[in-house]
Amino acid sequence: ILNVEQSPQSLHVQEGDSTNFTCSFPSSNFYALHWYRWETAKSPEALFVMTLNGDEKKKGRISATLNTKEGYSYLYIKGSQPEDSATYLCARMDSSYKLIFGSGTRLLVRP
Amino acid sequence: KAGVTQTPRYLIKTRGQQVTLSCSPISGHRSVSWYQQTPGQGLQFLFEYFSETQRNKGNFPGRFSGRQFSNSRSEMNVSTLELGDSALYLCASSSGQPGGNTIYFGEGSWLTVV
Repeated sequence: ILNVEQSPQSLHVQEGDSTNFTCSFPSSNFYALHWYRWETAKSPEALFVMTLNGDEKKKGRISATLNTKEGYSYLYIKGSQPEDSATYLCARMDSSYKLIFGSGTRLLVRP
Repeated sequence: KAGVTQTPRYLIKTRGQQVTLSCSPISGHRSVSWYQQTPGQGLQFLFEYFSETQRNKGNFPGRFSGRQFSNSRSEMNVSTLELGDSALYLCASSSGQPGGNTIYFGEGSWLTVV
């Protein structure tokens, strides 16, 4: 993996469904993995910052895991709600202090 | 406390002109970084400043420049604007220390070049 890749590109689910997205990234020179939630016309909202292999973080119905050895992170949303509709971005930080973003997963939750 | 503030929010410029965008970071944050969002490219890193020094620069032409002041406020400048510079420019602030510090984004400045 040379770049940060996210899948799927978009996802449509029904309210109440649980869903998950994948972020793959280069595992070398890894410092941190950031997850953001971005709604149209708003600023990206920081969800999680993870640094250690095996890290698991949770914020309400949203949780994330990190595997730095194989270079991937999963974001889970339990019981999706229409207000969860947004683009979810992951970004990898290395020693250069810059975030390299994936192209995002666009989630639409139908009522 | 106040979040990251960017001004102006929207602006229209003509090809060949130059533009300056401003960013006020969260109080106490010493790192400010800039990103460009275009439909085809996603979020691309422009540069990052820490305590008035540029620590890193992305792959953008020299027409893109920036600076940071002693109060951590930052400006970015784009000279000789081209149509392809039309984009959302996002500023982000953090403590600037390595590791797991949260990086907070502003709402961005929408630039349209005509």
